[in-house]
Parts: sequence; structure tokens; C-alpha cells
Amino acid sequence: KAGVTQTPRYLIKTRGQQVTLSCSPISGHRSVSWYQQTPGQGLQFLFEYFSETQRNKGNFPGRFSGRQFSNSRSEMNVSTLELGDSALYLCASTSGLAGGLEQFFGPGTRLTVL
Amino acid sequence: AQSVTQLGSHVSVSEGALVLLRCNYSSSVPPYLFWYVQYPNQGLQLLLKYTTGATLVKGINGFEAEFKKSETSFHLTKPSAHMSDAAEYFCAVSIIQGAQKLVFGQGTRLTINP
Repeated sequence: KAGVTQTPRYLIKTRGQQVTLSCSPISGHRSVSWYQQTPGQGLQFLFEYFSETQRNKGNFPGRFSGRQFSNSRSEMNVSTLELGDSALYLCASTSGLAGGLEQFFGPGTRLTVL
Repeated sequence: AQSVTQLGSHVSVSEGALVLLRCNYSSSVPPYLFWYVQYPNQGLQLLLKYTTGATLVKGINGFEAEFKKSETSFHLTKPSAHMSDAAEYFCAVSIIQGAQKLVFGQGTRLTINP
């Protein structure tokens, strides 16, 4: 079974631009969560999608948005990039049908904002 | 709200020595608890998890953790460290109901000395 894949793996953007990151979950998984990892703030939850609906959202500004498609693939978008958005963005998938499930993480997309 | 505190951002042990990584949590409801490991330039991999039942949980690579409700702790141990254990370790908590949201500790970087 293929794992969680994220594209692209590396991305360099400049301030003010926007960026879209993609995540393909494990086959059969309907829940996709996104996390931001930075040296200063650690791992922080961005949002979770289940069956194309945002089910939970973290404390991030509206510049961060996401969506999920009918095949469970998810994208997250960051508009008007700031230097502080430089981070490793991780997505994780689960079947989403119960609590306490293992989240399977992708390798991440490393975003650098110049 | 849930929170996780990992005591010690850096831990260094000799090869063959006991590994002890500390994690304390705060949760208003019975939690699910997880330990994840992250190797350089990779995503997170689940080591073990506590949901219900036996409080001593065994995971992969010889790691285990004990859930102590009275101490609100979930410390990770391994009897004998290997060089390959060098990585960053994250403790995380999630609530039983609701969306698949993990709240992570700040992480502990484990260094193994030959």
C-alpha cells in the first residue's frame, strides 16, 4: 500500500506570493490533516478535512486555507506569503472513522519564503 | 484544551544506556496518547500509542511507554540505546471524540554517543 505523498517536496517563494501544496492520502483514508512545523513553534495543527468538509481548524490566519477533493486528495493554499510562513508542512491521513487512530504522515513540503 | 510538555529539548545518552524521554499531558477528557519519531528530512513515524486498556504500551524498535493517569505522564523508554535511535521524538495527545487533531509537545532531540 502506497504511503502518504506530498508534492512538491521543496518550494521557494517570495513574500507576497501565494502557494499551493498537495497531499495524496493512503488509499481508503478519508481524513487528511495538515500541520506546520517550525523550529520556534514546533508542530501546529492547521486543519483537517473529512469527506470534502473541513472538520476542525487550528489557530492560523485566513491566509491559510485548504480543500479536499472527492478522491480524498487535499490541497492547502497560503496567500500573501510572509517570511514567517517558512516551514515544513506535513500532511497526515487516517480513515477518520474513530478516535485514537494512527495518523500516517507524508514526508512534508519544505517551503522557504524569501 | 489539551497540552503536552516534553521535559528536555535535548537528551544525550551513551550507546547501550537506558533511554528515558519525559512527557506530561493535560486533558479535560480521557486522552489518546502517542509517541512519534522524526528522522532528518522525513515525516513522522508512529512509535506507539495508548488508547484504552493496558497502561504499559510496547512499540516498535524496542520502545515502550507507560500511561500514568495519576501523574498525567506518558514517558518513553528503551532499555538499551542504539546509534540508529538518534532522532527527534514527539509526544502527542488527542481527544477521543471529534476530529483527528493531534496536539504535539515541543519535541526532544535524542543524541546517542558511541
